[in-house]
Amino acid sequence: QVQLVESGGGVVQPGRSLRLSCAASGFTISDFGIHWVRQSPGKGLEWVAGISSDGGIKDYTDSVKGRFSISRDNSKNMVYLQLNSLKDDDTAVFYCARDWFGSENFDAFDIWGQGTMVTVS
Amino acid sequence: DIQLTQSPSFLSASVGDRVTITCRASQDISRYLAWYQQKPGKAPKLLIYAASTLQDGVPSRFSGSGSGTAFTLTISSLQPGDFATYYCQQLDTYPYTFGPGTKVDIK
Repeated sequence: QVQLVESGGGVVQPGRSLRLSCAASGFTISDFGIHWVRQSPGKGLEWVAGISSDGGIKDYTDSVKGRFSISRDNSKNMVYLQLNSLKDDDTAVFYCARDWFGSENFDAFDIWGQGTMVTVS
Repeated sequence: DIQLTQSPSFLSASVGDRVTITCRASQDISRYLAWYQQKPGKAPKLLIYAASTLQDGVPSRFSGSGSGTAFTLTISSLQPGDFATYYCQQLDTYPYTFGPGTKVDIK
């Protein structure tokens, strides 16, 4: 079935690094942009980063620019998020999501993974 | 960055009630707006995109309207499975910001 599965979360000390992975199955990942969205405990959703289908366009929310890096390997159906210089307030569940275009070329995040927890402490 | 506000932030309602949630954007985003439902411990679920287009498989009691800077999500008759938190998201310009959420609780 069509799904995304995140992995790589864990407990890490401030200043250290972590790499999150997002594995796609049931569809061809090279046809879609992929995004990372995080949710701190008890808080709302925050878009973190996005990458276009061919990897040529990447963008980040201001608070992670220079620290996080998004990449993809379409041959492996994988997207990654490298988290460097982690801070306490990066503690969150990180979701990857598929950017899907519906009617009239409007898009939305239609498939989400189950999330992976990153705890910086 | 485009800011989204939602109102109310919390509402208490009963099964069968009609519920309306408002989302306002800090600048014109045309119809580049989506609505998501999230239940505790679960990933968000897409309900509506392009401000008013119902995602496949979503019950018709959910509807969306609006364009430009003002949008609404309406649940025509609240069902037990609808108690959740609802988020709007703009997909007009990076960063693709989310609203702060509206929690719908049981009265």
